[in-house]
Amino acid sequence: NAGVTQTPKFRILKIGQSMTLQCTQDMNHNYMYWYRQDPGMGLKLIYYSVGAGITDKGEVPNGYNVSRSTTEDFPLRLELAAPSQTSVYFCASNIGTGNQPQHFGDGTRLSIL
Amino acid sequence: GENVEQHPSTLSVQEGDSAVIKCTYSDSASNYFPWYKQELGKRPQLIIDIRSNVGEKKDQRIAVTLNKTAKHFSLHITETQPEDSAVYFCAASPGGGADGLTFGKGTHLIIQP
Repeated sequence: NAGVTQTPKFRILKIGQSMTLQCTQDMNHNYMYWYRQDPGMGLKLIYYSVGAGITDKGEVPNGYNVSRSTTEDFPLRLELAAPSQTSVYFCASNIGTGNQPQHFGDGTRLSIL
Repeated sequence: GENVEQHPSTLSVQEGDSAVIKCTYSDSASNYFPWYKQELGKRPQLIIDIRSNVGEKKDQRIAVTLNKTAKHFSLHITETQPEDSAVYFCAASPGGGADGLTFGKGTHLIIQP
């Protein structure tokens, strides 16, 4: 199993541009998550999904959108990039039953200039 | 929502000594408490976790204790080694981790040779 795969690994955007961060997992996990990590800080939850067709906001959802059309994929979309969205974005998943650990992808490092 | 405080922000110990990192949480409904290790430029990796029905858990040189009454939990690393140098994050979840984690701000652990 590849686990949780995120693409791209790095990206530079101009203010106002849009992009989609891709996340896919091959562990048949029901629950998936998007976090952002600013320099020197812990991770903050942006959105999460408990299954295909179901998404919920986390702590910092403004400026982002998500969709979950399949169990495997959970893309994160930035519509109008702003400098405040410069961060490292991590996708994670877990099986969704009981107190199970979250498995993280390698992250996407996004700079908005 | 949940709030997790983590101390200290930086901890320097001599190789072979023990290290202790402490976290407090605010939501009495939280029942899942994982600890993650993050090396520079890498993904967070789960090192140990504890559920609310357990007071202590050990895994070789690593142990975690939980005091639900006081709403705090701690990570203990014994016989520290150079490869223990990293940033450590505590987290808490009222949904058993299923609806996302709230992270502390992290502790930079430095192992002095």
